Amino acid sequence: QKEVEQDPGPLSVPEGAIVSLNCTYSNSAFQYFMWYRQYSRKGPELLMYTYSSGNKEDGRFTAQVDKSSKYISLFIRDSQPSDSATYLCAMSAGTGRRALTFGSGTRLQVQP
Amino acid sequence: GAVVSQHPSRVICKSGTSVKIECRSLDFQATTMFWYRQFPKQSLMLMATSNEGSKATYEQGVEKDKFLINHASLTLSTLTVTSAHPEDSSFYICSARDLGQTTDTQYFGPGTRLTVL
Repeated sequence: QKEVEQDPGPLSVPEGAIVSLNCTYSNSAFQYFMWYRQYSRKGPELLMYTYSSGNKEDGRFTAQVDKSSKYISLFIRDSQPSDSATYLCAMSAGTGRRALTFGSGTRLQVQP
Repeated sequence: GAVVSQHPSRVICKSGTSVKIECRSLDFQATTMFWYRQFPKQSLMLMATSNEGSKATYEQGVEKDKFLINHASLTLSTLTVTSAHPEDSSFYICSARDLGQTTDTQYFGPGTRLTVL
């Protein structure tokens, strides 16, 4: 079993829809949770960063973390064709030199 | 802020040659940089952790003599693919942690596409 599970998609939605992207994880030591967006042939771009449980909102994006269920989500409101990309969840147990543990990424397609 | 650059963005080389890829943090200092490899439609695979002033830590299955990493300063890490073969063709991405931040976020470079003929 992978430490972080993420549905690879593709997930296809119409423009304006609310998108829900999710990851589950098994390591209860994870405390820092991130969402990255990666366009084709580009490096990942940090979208959201959350520490421990709770919600965080930034514009059209909302990140949720439920540590009791080991489940994190990213919601995109009013989705746009420019949101079409692969979304990677990432997490770590704490600050330091450790690398992040990534999900496999979910490919999102927003149809105009 | 938090910009990471990579050079070159794409390189084509002949089998048997060596290729060097540079990763720079442009507006922050990074004691730790990470090198990833990504195959088409797959997620990032961590290859090694590059620590400034010390030897890199390689992940299991990654040949340290083939993928040479040098982290000579707080803003530069290099990955050299030695004696490249067609199976080394891939998208190589580096990331860096900001020394000045307490968070565990990493900032990624734009990637280098390597094609070995």
